[in-house]
Amino acid sequence: GAGVSQSPRYKVAKRGQDVALRCDPISGHVSLFWYQQALGQGPEFLTYFQNEAQLDKSGLPSDRFFAERPEGSVSTLKIQRTQQEDSAVYLCASSRGGVWETQYFGPGTRLLVL
Amino acid sequence: GDSVTQMEGPVTLSEEAFLTINCTYTATGYPSLFWYVQYPGEGLQLLLKATKADDKGSNKGFEATYRKETTSFHLEKGSVQVSDSAVYFCALGNTGNQFYFGTGTSLTVIP
Repeated sequence: GAGVSQSPRYKVAKRGQDVALRCDPISGHVSLFWYQQALGQGPEFLTYFQNEAQLDKSGLPSDRFFAERPEGSVSTLKIQRTQQEDSAVYLCASSRGGVWETQYFGPGTRLLVL
Repeated sequence: GDSVTQMEGPVTLSEEAFLTINCTYTATGYPSLFWYVQYPGEGLQLLLKATKADDKGSNKGFEATYRKETTSFHLEKGSVQVSDSAVYFCALGNTGNQFYFGTGTSLTVIP
């Protein structure tokens, strides 16, 4: 079956622009995670959804970051007024359950802010 | 808070050598522990996991045992192959909804 997909795969933004990153999880997966991965580092947790409810957003680095999953399926991570330090790979993962379950990762969106 | 500490790489081994990648964790309660792997040009995927103390996760010849007394989850393989070249991430999930990854260990296996 289809895995997790993310779009766009690459995004170049000028500093100060707003960007929106999309994640299509595996159908039927209740949980959805967003991570930020800097070059040479492990993924850093950003936020977690269970269906449409955002149960944890403690990892979002600033109020410029906003995530939503309005119908409990597709999710969008929005970054307002992008800064150079936002340059990273943004990973989305979905699972059948919570943090104890296997997560299935998308290919990521590589964001470069100039 | 919870965290994972993973041995730094990169690691270079000859084919058929023994592999150990160390991972220790800090957590309250009873977390689940994972090893994820990222092969070149591919996305992260689960390699193995263990959900309680003394459990052993295994897959593709890799093993890791959940040791609560030493708060460790070291990854081992008896005989590595060139195809095992990848970046390996130790990870932890606990009560609450956050998930923690180590910094990753790059493994290169040479023929």
